[in-house]
Amino acid sequence: DAGVIQSPRHEVTEMGQEVTLRCKPISGHNSLFWYRQTMMRGLELLIYFNNNVPIDDSGMPEDRFSAKMPNASFSTLKIQPSEPRDSAVYFCASSFEQGVWAKNIQYFGAGTRLSVL
Amino acid sequence: KNEVEQSPQNLTAQEGEFITINCSYSVGISALHWLQQHPGGGIVSLFMLSSGKKKHGRLIATINIQEKHSSLHITASHPRDSAVYICAPVGRKKSSGDKLTFGTGTRLAVRP
Repeated sequence: DAGVIQSPRHEVTEMGQEVTLRCKPISGHNSLFWYRQTMMRGLELLIYFNNNVPIDDSGMPEDRFSAKMPNASFSTLKIQPSEPRDSAVYFCASSFEQGVWAKNIQYFGAGTRLSVL
Repeated sequence: KNEVEQSPQNLTAQEGEFITINCSYSVGISALHWLQQHPGGGIVSLFMLSSGKKKHGRLIATINIQEKHSSLHITASHPRDSAVYICAPVGRKKSSGDKLTFGTGTRLAVRP
């Protein structure tokens, strides 16, 4: 298996532009996580899907952020409009969960480094 | 809110030394993850445990649910173990905002 695939690997955009990050989880996994990592705040969970349904989105910073999982093999994280403080590395991870809680090993993608100028 | 504290924040060791990284958290949890982040940025999940001890190669993770404490041990450390190690407790339930929270990480450097 190719692992969790994220695209793009790097994104540079200007403030106010829409940014879409993409993630393909490992086939057969039923849970998907979006994380953000910054120097100031470290690693933070943004949103967690189980069987394509958002279980916990309390980490989504504000209405400018939205995430979708239309099917088991694809998810997007969208920022509209983007701001310089959104600059971070965004990780996607997937796992196979028996229940709705993140109790199993998670496999991380390589991350998308976002720079908003 | 689950406060997560890791210690030490930075650790330098000589190759071959036994290393311990500690993680303490403040609320009840259902499980705890240990993650490893390499200098290149990639993140690898090392362990998920909800009780007792797990071992994988030279890595051992323990958790004491009553004391709200977990440790990650590395035996016979090697320069390739140099990375940031992050603990991530998993909240017990969705209400009250429990969720995956993360320690700030322990930066480990193992010298040859």
